[in-house]
This record gives sequence, structure tokens and C-alpha cells, in this order.
Amino acid sequence: AAGVIQSPRHLIKEKRETATLKCYPIPRHDTVYWYQQGPGQDPQFLISFYEKMQSDKGSIPDRFSAQQFSDYHSELNMSSLELGDSALYFCASSYQAGAREQYFGPGTRLTVT
Amino acid sequence: GEDVEQSLFLSVREGDSSVINCTYTDSSSTYLYWYKQEPGAGLQLLTYIFSNMDMKQDQRLTVLLNKKDKHLSLRIADTQTGDSAIYFCAESIQGYQKVTFGTGTKLQVIP
Repeated sequence: AAGVIQSPRHLIKEKRETATLKCYPIPRHDTVYWYQQGPGQDPQFLISFYEKMQSDKGSIPDRFSAQQFSDYHSELNMSSLELGDSALYFCASSYQAGAREQYFGPGTRLTVT
Repeated sequence: GEDVEQSLFLSVREGDSSVINCTYTDSSSTYLYWYKQEPGAGLQLLTYIFSNMDMKQDQRLTVLLNKKDKHLSLRIADTQTGDSAIYFCAESIQGYQKVTFGTGTKLQVIP
């Protein structure tokens, strides 16, 4: 079965640079969620989109922004990167907002040097 | 994970049963989940339980929910070396998008 696709899988950036992470949800899923997992930490919810509209917001820094496009894929844009942004970024998708089953992608590992 | 707590580590012998425990604080939790994360990999949804249930069984996995004590457990029968991973307990509240994860329990299976 098709799963959530994230690209790139690994990304290395320097401080103050920008990064864009992409997420392609499972076909027919209309909701995407972004989570950040720091080293040895549990995943923390950042933001979600349902039908291209922001549906919930968590602990997302102002330096980050995200959007969902008409084909339901989503992009997380991160600017003025800091060392503390180094983490695993997961995208999850579901059919309908607040669905009980969120399916996670493999994650993008971002390293900021 | 401040609202969802788990013990950090569990070690069991292959073939034994594993029980991973979790406590949560939000009484309005609607769904409670167990996710598995293998090293360097994503989060795999293992199972979930609706808050008005007290038990759910799925093959080797049994989830028990004590809503009064806000306690959730995951029992893995006949634990195998392939079960070695970090197991996250998580909760969500109906009407909200996010899933709140616990701190994770690292399960080590000894052959």
C-alpha cells in the first residue's frame, strides 16, 4: 500500500540558511500534519492542514511556515536555521481532519551545522 | 511528553511477554495510541483504542485502558527480537488535530 512520502530524507544546512521539506500524503488523504522529533525526544506537533487550510497549530517557531497545495502535498519552510532545529521532521496524513489514524512518513533528518 | 509519561526502558527475554505502561493526564483524551519506532525509522501505528473501551486485542498485541486511573498498557505476547524498538504511547482529543506523544519506552529483547 502507498505510504506517506517525504523528501529529502536527509538534509544538511548551515546556520541562517533556509530549508524546504516536502510531504506527499497517502492518496485520498486530505489532511497533513507536521511533527518535530529532537534527538532522544518524543515527536512534537508543529502544524496541520485540512483541505489546504491550516487546521491546528502547535509549537511551530515563527521562522517556520507551511502550506498545503491543491494536490494535497505540503511543504514546511524553515528560515534562519539554528543549531537547535536539527531534528527528525515527520509528516503524517489522514483522511479528514482529526481522524483517529494518522499515518507517518519516514521523516526528513535535518542537520544544521 | 509532559502530559503522557512512560518508563524509559524495558528488557525482556525472547518468548516472554512484554508489558509497556503509560499514564496520561488529560481526561478528555478520546483516542489512545501505541506507535513503534525502530532505529532511524519512522513511526508505525500499531494499534489504538477509543476512550470508551477498556480492552483491545490484535494478534500478539493487547491494549488495556483504565480510564479511572488514566493508565494505558500494551502487552506484547511471545516477544521477538524484531520487536526491539521504542514504543510511544500517544493521545488525541476529538476536535483537535494533534497527537501528543509520551516520552517513549525502549524495549530490548534478549535472545
